[in-house]
Amino acid sequence: KQEVTQIPAALSVPEGENLVLNCSFTDSAIYNLQWFRQDPGKGLTSLLLIQSSQREQTSGRLNASLDKSSGRSTLYIAASQPGDSATYLCAVDNNDMRFGAGTRLTVKP
Amino acid sequence: NAGVTQTPKFQVLKTGQSMTLQCAQDMNHNSMYWYRQDPGMGLRLIYYSASEGTTDKGEVPNGYNVSRLNKREFSLRLESAAPSQTSVYFCASRSDKEVFGYTFGSGTRLTVV
Repeated sequence: KQEVTQIPAALSVPEGENLVLNCSFTDSAIYNLQWFRQDPGKGLTSLLLIQSSQREQTSGRLNASLDKSSGRSTLYIAASQPGDSATYLCAVDNNDMRFGAGTRLTVKP
Repeated sequence: NAGVTQTPKFQVLKTGQSMTLQCAQDMNHNSMYWYRQDPGMGLRLIYYSASEGTTDKGEVPNGYNVSRLNKREFSLRLESAAPSQTSVYFCASRSDKEVFGYTFGSGTRLTVV
């Protein structure tokens, strides 16, 4: 059974700092890995999707990497802003999507 | 805007009552999913449908039933609600083309008292 773990559970940083969120998974036979953002009381917004054959994806200040062999992914956020404050979820897809519990990020002005 | 639409957004039920959560997508996706989200536990898969006319159990199917009415619609039914089913429910759909990933609805917040 696929298990997805996200560390840390919560993170608070000052504005402008670069930061890394971590995701690990137990079954490396995945189709893809997706990072989502969730604002309080809202649904999930897809940020980046990395296919199993890819090593990384970039969108603006976000960069996600994937190392299937070690069962790890990281989400790098450059020059963080208060508007980045949200919960970030990673999910791995091998026939169905399994989610981590998320990292709650607070960026202080 | 194209996407996944869930109704209702909020619902309060008494223990033992039944209700159906509705989900519709207009992106012509074959696969649709129902998840529940509880504090500190991430999202857990309840049921999914890989195509019209098929449904399969996920991690936590007990107490729920689903219907894939047509390609657009996938409903989740609670026959006899219990307080343990208090949660936020999300519907999602997925393109057959891997590159597009999953699209989620905005959720239904259900409280069972």
